[in-house]
Amino acid sequence: EAGVVQSPRYKIIEKKQPVAFWCNPISGHNTLYWYLQNLGQGPELLIRYENEEAVDDSQLPKDRFSAERLKGVDSTLKIQPAELGDSAVYLCASSAYLAGPYNEQFFGPGTRLTVL
Amino acid sequence: EDKVVQSPLSLVVHEGDTVTLNCSYEVTNFRSLLWYKQEKKAPTFLFMLTSSGIEKKSGRLSSILDKKELFSILNITATQTGDSAVYLCSSRGNTDKLIFGTGTRLQVFP
Repeated sequence: EAGVVQSPRYKIIEKKQPVAFWCNPISGHNTLYWYLQNLGQGPELLIRYENEEAVDDSQLPKDRFSAERLKGVDSTLKIQPAELGDSAVYLCASSAYLAGPYNEQFFGPGTRLTVL
Repeated sequence: EDKVVQSPLSLVVHEGDTVTLNCSYEVTNFRSLLWYKQEKKAPTFLFMLTSSGIEKKSGRLSSILDKKELFSILNITATQTGDSAVYLCSSRGNTDKLIFGTGTRLQVFP
């Protein structure tokens, strides 16, 4: 079974430039998550999708961040414009079931973003 | 505010040693606690704990939850260099949202 796929693995951009990350969850997984992981910290949830609906985006900085999951499968996270403080690893995860407190979340390898 | 605190932040041991990683949590309407191992890539799932006192075991790794004391430990016996990683503890209440600790960085030297 293929795992969660993310691309690119690494991205270096200058501040004020736009950037986009792509995630393809495990086949059949309804729920998709985007996390932000700063150096030396645990992941923090940015947004959670159930199928194509964003059901929790309370932590997403909506002035510059946006996300979509149009067909309820793969998803794109965008930052425009990027700031120096956005340098971090962006992790995507998926789980098989709709929202619940006993789901196991499977993580992708992440995209390491460096903003210069 | 929900939070998860892990200790120690960092641990250096020699192969063959046994280590204990600690995780305390404060989560409204607690439902489950999850341990992940993170090397230079994706966090990989280790255990999910929901009930007190029931040990989960996988090879040399084991974990247990104490819901009264709001605490979990992860034990690794006979450590190997391949155990070197960051171990993340996370917890959640009655939603799907995981709250992560900062992790414990374990380094195992030959």
